[in-house]
Amino acid sequence: GAVVSQHPSRVICKSGTSVKIECRSLDFQATTMFWYRQFPKQSLMLMATSNEGSKATYEQGVEKDKFLINHASLTLSTLTVTSAHPEDSSFYICSARKRDRAYSYEQYFGPGTRLTVT
Amino acid sequence: QKEVEQDPGPLSVPEGAIVSLNCTYSNSAFQYFMWYRQYSRKGPELLMYTYSSGNKEDGRFTAQVDKSSKYISLFIRDSQPSDSATYLCAAGSGGYNKLIFGAGTRLAVHP
Repeated sequence: GAVVSQHPSRVICKSGTSVKIECRSLDFQATTMFWYRQFPKQSLMLMATSNEGSKATYEQGVEKDKFLINHASLTLSTLTVTSAHPEDSSFYICSARKRDRAYSYEQYFGPGTRLTVT
Repeated sequence: QKEVEQDPGPLSVPEGAIVSLNCTYSNSAFQYFMWYRQYSRKGPELLMYTYSSGNKEDGRFTAQVDKSSKYISLFIRDSQPSDSATYLCAAGSGGYNKLIFGAGTRLAVHP
């Protein structure tokens, strides 16, 4: 299998606070994890790519100081939305690539986290 | 021009119909192609993964890649109401380290 979990599944926070979202690969080790953002009825927007033990690579237009990514182990990556504002409200989804297959490019997605900032 | 183009639909078909979902891409370096299914408010689920050109079949699903025309397709046979979802195509290459997604096509299969 290739199961990816996210926690929490839903979070409501007040403007100005920070929120941490966890992404875990449950039954495999992940070389790379990705963080996406998705607005209603729109496609996935890649925010950043993270490799275990190194700094994340952010896509153009994504503020690295606002969206802090930590990839502490081969099974865990976290996204922290700092000083959240209502415009940060969105569906955040992570994905992971398997470590044990050299030419494996499939990404396995988590169930997503719905963030609402009031 | 987007690197992966996909008609967002919506596409509505009767139960039992054959569904054809399509994407085009512009980057000739793309080598691997995927189709994901996403139900509302859920994460995408990997349906099919194809490397280079050719066909791949899995149950009611068939994925086709034509690299000469830069065209990728997903066919769903005997479509069911449970197939109602958004289908996302994606493409990538070894040098990219990331997938490029299409906009997604919303499919509704009605009984």
